[in-house]
Amino acid sequence: GQQLNQSPQSMFIQEGEDVSMNCTSSSIFNTWLWYKQDPGEGPVLLIALYKAGELTSNGRLTAQFGITRKDSFLNISASIPSDVGIYFCAGHSYTGTASKLTFGTGTRLQVTL
Amino acid sequence: DSGVTQTPKHLITATGQRVTLRCSPRSGDLSVYWYQQSLDQGLQFLIQYYNGEERAKGNILERFSAQQFPDLHSELNLSSLELGDSALYFCASSVEGEVGGQAKNIQYFGAGTRLSVL
Repeated sequence: GQQLNQSPQSMFIQEGEDVSMNCTSSSIFNTWLWYKQDPGEGPVLLIALYKAGELTSNGRLTAQFGITRKDSFLNISASIPSDVGIYFCAGHSYTGTASKLTFGTGTRLQVTL
Repeated sequence: DSGVTQTPKHLITATGQRVTLRCSPRSGDLSVYWYQQSLDQGLQFLIQYYNGEERAKGNILERFSAQQFPDLHSELNLSSLELGDSALYFCASSVEGEVGGQAKNIQYFGAGTRLSVL
């Protein structure tokens, strides 16, 4: 199935460092979402973006909806060990009248002390 | 806690068998979505139901089927199971599944059912 291109695929960082990841698509989306998934758990919504150019923060997390509506980035500042997990971007669109969410390939984040 | 409940949490079965996964959406949510996640893979959309009716199909095998009941809970039926069907299966729900307020289309995920086919 269709997936968004997410980069980097994985990253090792030290505690306290800032992290940046992004997501690109050939398709336009109405909404961009960022989820975090811990091992063996379901994805948890971190941030939702509704308008092109929108910049939204949630604590140490900041995300932006690209102006072309085909990309988004997520930044995490001052990373801590509990930031470990897989981060997925997701773009929302409509297929006919059906609501559709397309997921990125994921960025695996590992934080070392 | 997302408010989406999935049971069972783990399921171990043999090839050729049939299993049923259950999902209760968040209170008030009309749409239910099913996803499959194989080891170290992304989430693959299987099927969506809205208020009891099938609304969209993704990469769902013919051996798999789903339904949404009047109380809005949903079941995913997997039959003639193969080794490759071993995966995490997630259910998500949203208020709406149609064109509407964008916030109403945000999907909230359950904790998943881990299916192991031996």
